[in-house]
Formats: sequence, structure tokens, C-alpha cells
Amino acid sequence: EAQVTQNPRYLITVTGKKLTVTCSQNMNHEYMSWYRQDPGLGLRQIYYSMNVEVTDKGDVPEGYKVSRKEKRNFPLILESPSPNQTSLYFCASSFLQGEQYFGPGTRLTVT
Amino acid sequence: GQQLNQSPQSMFIQEGEDVSMNCTSSSIFNTWLWYKQEPGEGPVLLIALYKAGELTSNGRLTAQFGITRKDSFLNISASIPSDVGIYFCAGYNAGNNRKLIWGLGTSLAVNP
Repeated sequence: EAQVTQNPRYLITVTGKKLTVTCSQNMNHEYMSWYRQDPGLGLRQIYYSMNVEVTDKGDVPEGYKVSRKEKRNFPLILESPSPNQTSLYFCASSFLQGEQYFGPGTRLTVT
Repeated sequence: GQQLNQSPQSMFIQEGEDVSMNCTSSSIFNTWLWYKQEPGEGPVLLIALYKAGELTSNGRLTAQFGITRKDSFLNISASIPSDVGIYFCAGYNAGNNRKLIWGLGTSLAVNP
């Protein structure tokens, strides 16, 4: 089944404790992206990747890192999480300029 | 970043009613996409539009790519309770194919 998977689905952590949210897709898509969703603010792009080893900042990249060592994986790293990063996170993938397919989301709470 | 103007922001309707929502931009778009997000889930693609004037249906849903290439419309006919969710428009700007631009969503509630 074609899909985007994310792990974990739920995460509660404390300020400053590094964490990684994984994302994997099995559709051979070149493009992958991370979004955060907050009430009233819609979907805001954090980082995106056009292909392996090619990443770029989205609209809200501060406090996040990404890497794209393999085509199928695009992990999101929070080196020192803060409470303002409490949010619902989505990974998405697509062919270039194509329809994006989303993972199920990761709900992160930073206390 | 750039955002699309999506309206209405929310709708509360009776089961069986038709629904219309739209999305506008100040610049020309090459592609329009309509998504639905249910509580606790990721957005799911409903309809994709690639040509000005294109009219595409998916069951009770119909979407159109405006002829000016600056707007798109989504209609839902004979709404049912499972239509509840947030509907998002998104699109690729003619000048930048790297970034999908999003609207803020239309929240739909259906009263049985």
C-alpha cells in the first residue's frame, strides 16, 4: 500500500531534550516536506527536500533540522525543543510539482 | 509566506444541503488541489486540477479551476454527516513550482 508513515504518533517531552520524528514514504517520491499545524494558522512548511542531500528552509524553520540521506526517509530533528514547538506535525511527499500525500501526523507536546 | 484566501472560514449546514467554498490568489497558479482533513488525521487529497477552466468531479464533490487561473471552487452536493472536516485548497504558483501554497481551510459542520 502506498503510504507515508510517521513515528511516533504522540510524543510528550521536556524542554531541551533532543528528539527525532521519523518519516518514510514508499512511493519513490523526490519531494518530501515537513509541516506544522496550529489552530487558526493552517499548515506551515518547516523544511522541504527536492531530492537526496537537497534540503531547504520553508516558512518556519527556526529550531528544526532535517536530513535526506535516502530517498524514502526524511527525519525531523528538534535539537533543543521548547514549549512553542508544541504542535501537530505532518510529513508529506510527492513527485516534483505534484500532489502531496500526507502522513498521519505526530502530536508533540513540550513541557 | 504566501497564503491563499479561502472562504468561508467555517460553515454549519443541515444534512442534504449543498456547500460551496472558494479559494483566491493575487497571482496565477498552474495547479489547484483540494484536500479534506478529518480530526486527528492528515489531509487527504480530494481533487486535483491542472488546466484553466477544468471542471472535475469526485462523487458528490466538484471542483473547478478558474479561467483567470487565480481562483478555484469546491462544491459538495447533498451533504451528509461524514462530510464533516476541514477542507483546504492548495496550489502551485506559476512562478515557483517548489512550494505548495495553502489556504487556511474551511471548517464544515453538518447537522444530521
